[in-house]
Amino acid sequence: EVQLLESGGGLVQPGGSLRLSCAASGFTFSSYTMTWVRQAPGKGLEWVSVISGSGSATYYADSVKGRFTISRDNSMNTLYLQMNSLGVEDTAVYYCAKYPTSGIRREDNWFDPWGQGTLVTVSS
Amino acid sequence: QTVVTQEPSFSVSPGGTVTLTCGLSSGSVSTSYYPSWYQQTPGQAPRTLIYNINIRSSGVPDRFSGSILGNKAALTITGAQADDESDYYCVLYMGGGISVFGGGTKLTVL
Repeated sequence: EVQLLESGGGLVQPGGSLRLSCAASGFTFSSYTMTWVRQAPGKGLEWVSVISGSGSATYYADSVKGRFTISRDNSMNTLYLQMNSLGVEDTAVYYCAKYPTSGIRREDNWFDPWGQGTLVTVSS
Repeated sequence: QTVVTQEPSFSVSPGGTVTLTCGLSSGSVSTSYYPSWYQQTPGQAPRTLIYNINIRSSGVPDRFSGSILGNKAALTITGAQADDESDYYCVLYMGGGISVFGGGTKLTVL
């Protein structure tokens, strides 16, 4: 069974940093593109970032570009999101999700399954 | 910046049919956007319903269907049930590795 377990969320002050992790199991991690999606309290889903199976290709939403870095350790079956210069607008539940393939192609642009999410709260 | 639009809310009677749409603030949604649809209930992670426009994810009842209707992507629920009451999100591939979610539709079944 494919499982994704996020961790690393918590309370951080504005301007601070946090690193989220997503531990994957039940599939060959390196063979699949992974993504982060967030959801602010009471709001909709927002796509954040994507990384190809090899880690060679990464893309970001404009709202996080230059502040967030997606990465992966295929030997540890773990996806990461390094978040710097955090602002209150980054407060959200952060989900990791799996793509159906290792590349980033429009026809493969769907996410399944999703983890249960980890809450990041940016507040002073 | 192009915004993906969805109806903020919709209501359907039990047993009824409802079509939720996913459009663009500028332009039309075509098959090349490869829309997918997700269902989310409060406190839960999203669940994949439809991908590649009209392919049902594993275990999704056939009362859910996807299509392109006119200039929008569409999710149709035929024979709505009480447990279909959820938030529904579409996502479009915008090119260059970028995906954008719609704002979501809150569906009420009553």
